[in-house]
Amino acid sequence: DAGVTQSPTHLIKTRGQQVTLRCSPKSGHDTVSWYQQALGQGPQFIFQYYEEEERQRGNFPDRFSGHQFPNYSSELNVNALLLGDSALYLCASSSDFSSYNEQFFGPGTRLTVL
Amino acid sequence: AQTVTQSQPEMSVQEAETVTLSCTYDTSESDYYLFWYKQPPSRQMILVIRQEAYKQQNATENRFSVNFQKAAKSFSLKISDSQLGDAAMYFCAYRSAYDFGNEKLTFGTGTRLTIIP
Repeated sequence: DAGVTQSPTHLIKTRGQQVTLRCSPKSGHDTVSWYQQALGQGPQFIFQYYEEEERQRGNFPDRFSGHQFPNYSSELNVNALLLGDSALYLCASSSDFSSYNEQFFGPGTRLTVL
Repeated sequence: AQTVTQSQPEMSVQEAETVTLSCTYDTSESDYYLFWYKQPPSRQMILVIRQEAYKQQNATENRFSVNFQKAAKSFSLKISDSQLGDAAMYFCAYRSAYDFGNEKLTFGTGTRLTIIP
């Protein structure tokens, strides 16, 4: 049973560019959450997708947007990249029908903005 | 808004000894979940243990146990018989138990645990 997968592993972009990160949830999971983890910090919640809709959003600007596909996989898009967007981006999946809606995390995508 | 505070940026412990990591949180809610996650150098966040606020009994998972003090809003993690594989960043996290769709995790800043052979 494959866990949560993310691609790419690493990414280097320059300021002003746009980036798309991808996440495939654990088998049987229908909910995907995205977190940003700056160096030396704890993860910060960006948003959560369920049934192809954004269900909950953290305190992030509109430059951060997402999408969920019918197969439950998800994308995180960031426009007009800033140096401060450099971070590890974590995807977590869960199921509303599982105990505690436990979130399972992927290995993350390391984004570097130059 | 809920906040989670981990006041120990780094901790170290001798192999086979016991170590306790501290966490405090602030919330106005009465029902919630608390978690300890481990993040090794591989970066993948792994759930170590969870506690439901309405349960008075402290959670235990093998060598890992918690001391949950609801009135004091304290949630510490005790690791017994520390092993080299326990070396990692440990994050304390909070999640509301209310509302369908209110599932975001709020994390602390983490504690880096070093195991001394």
